[in-house]
Amino acid sequence: SQTIHQWPATLVQPVGSPLSLECTVEGTSNPNLYWYRQAAGRGLQLLFYSVGIGQISSEVPQNLSASRPQDRQFILSSKKLLLSDSGFYLCAWRGTANNSPLHFGNGTRLTVT
Amino acid sequence: DAKTTQPNSMESNEEEPVHLPCNHSTISGTDYIHWYRQLPSQGPEYVIHGLTSNVNNRMASLAIAEDRKSSTLILHRATLRDAAVYYCILYMNSGGYQKVTFGIGTKLQVIP
Repeated sequence: SQTIHQWPATLVQPVGSPLSLECTVEGTSNPNLYWYRQAAGRGLQLLFYSVGIGQISSEVPQNLSASRPQDRQFILSSKKLLLSDSGFYLCAWRGTANNSPLHFGNGTRLTVT
Repeated sequence: DAKTTQPNSMESNEEEPVHLPCNHSTISGTDYIHWYRQLPSQGPEYVIHGLTSNVNNRMASLAIAEDRKSSTLILHRATLRDAAVYYCILYMNSGGYQKVTFGIGTKLQVIP
């Protein structure tokens, strides 16, 4: 069966520090991968999505980046965190069929202080 | 981009059916309608999806309007564990990929 791992579960970082969140998927190949962010009390904001290795589409963020060095690995990074980067970060995968549902990881709660 | 519109919040009594509406008036012919729900401090979980016909699974039923401009998620007997934020979303083709964007959703409160 397919599983998705996301770590760390919680993270407290000072403003201006770098960030690296990792997500890996097991039990499937060539998944579509997604990074979302959820601010407190808000909906999910799509940050990045990827259809294959090295193929990243960016939706919104100015100081965040994503990379997909391997088929089932998706990394979210920042060189310098802002206070506004605080939130709940969720990684998700889905199959390539049009109706494939999204499967989410447990999320990382990031607090920038 | 096709968008969805949902009420911000709804209430239901425990053990009663719940009908959660969603409007998607600009849906295109190839867009699938998906529903997810999110419990506090967790990632969303898939509930159900459909294209044109009504769908049933162990969690819920999905009723899709004939013109596909609206749909309704039906929980047949609400339990306290169904209290969550419910998202109605469309899978949109974007340059060959499929963007999956979420709105604010409907916060369902279940009253014991």
